[in-house]
Amino acid sequence: AQSVTQPDIHITVSEGASLELRCNYSYGATPYLFWYVQSPGQGLQLLLKYFSGDTLVQGIKGFEAEFKRSQSSFNLRKPSVHWSDAAEYFCAVGGLGGSQGNLIFGKGTKLSVKP
Amino acid sequence: NAGVTQTPKFQVLKTGQSMTLQCAQDMNHNSMYWYRQDPGMGLRLIYYSASEGTTDKGEVPNGYNVSRLNKREFSLRLESAAPSQTSVYFCASSVQGPNQPQHFGDGTRLSIL
Repeated sequence: AQSVTQPDIHITVSEGASLELRCNYSYGATPYLFWYVQSPGQGLQLLLKYFSGDTLVQGIKGFEAEFKRSQSSFNLRKPSVHWSDAAEYFCAVGGLGGSQGNLIFGKGTKLSVKP
Repeated sequence: NAGVTQTPKFQVLKTGQSMTLQCAQDMNHNSMYWYRQDPGMGLRLIYYSASEGTTDKGEVPNGYNVSRLNKREFSLRLESAAPSQTSVYFCASSVQGPNQPQHFGDGTRLSIL
């Protein structure tokens, strides 16, 4: 069965430090990959997406992610974290089977930022 | 530019009561979705509507019904609420197709006593 794994439940980084959030997926073909961010009390906002082509994709708010087929990974990175980046981050996989548009979400990684 | 609007934002119910959560989108999207979010569980799909006039079960449909009222509106109904349905419910919409990002509402926080 298709699945998405975010190994880190909670990460704390210092403001200004670099960030990498991990995402691994289980799927036979190349999936459609997404990262979303959720601020407290809010809905999910799309950060970036990967469908094909260049394996390094740029998103909003200075985030980027790299698709690595050999590792079935789509890790999210940011070179310098800001306090406003504290939120929960979700990786999602789409294009699965016959369920057009349906996404499978990871369980999320909560990011805390130390001043 | 409202996007996806969910009502109500908060609701408290007693076990056995019924409730309809409303969702409307103004982006002319064909597909709409209902998720529930529980701590440590991520988002789980309850029902979806790939296009107007169609609805299908997702991962956790038991205890819920949906209605795609028109292209804009997709409602979720709890016929007899149970404490296990205490959750945050999110509605989302997208252009139809497997590579389209979904746009989310701000959620309905539902507590069932």
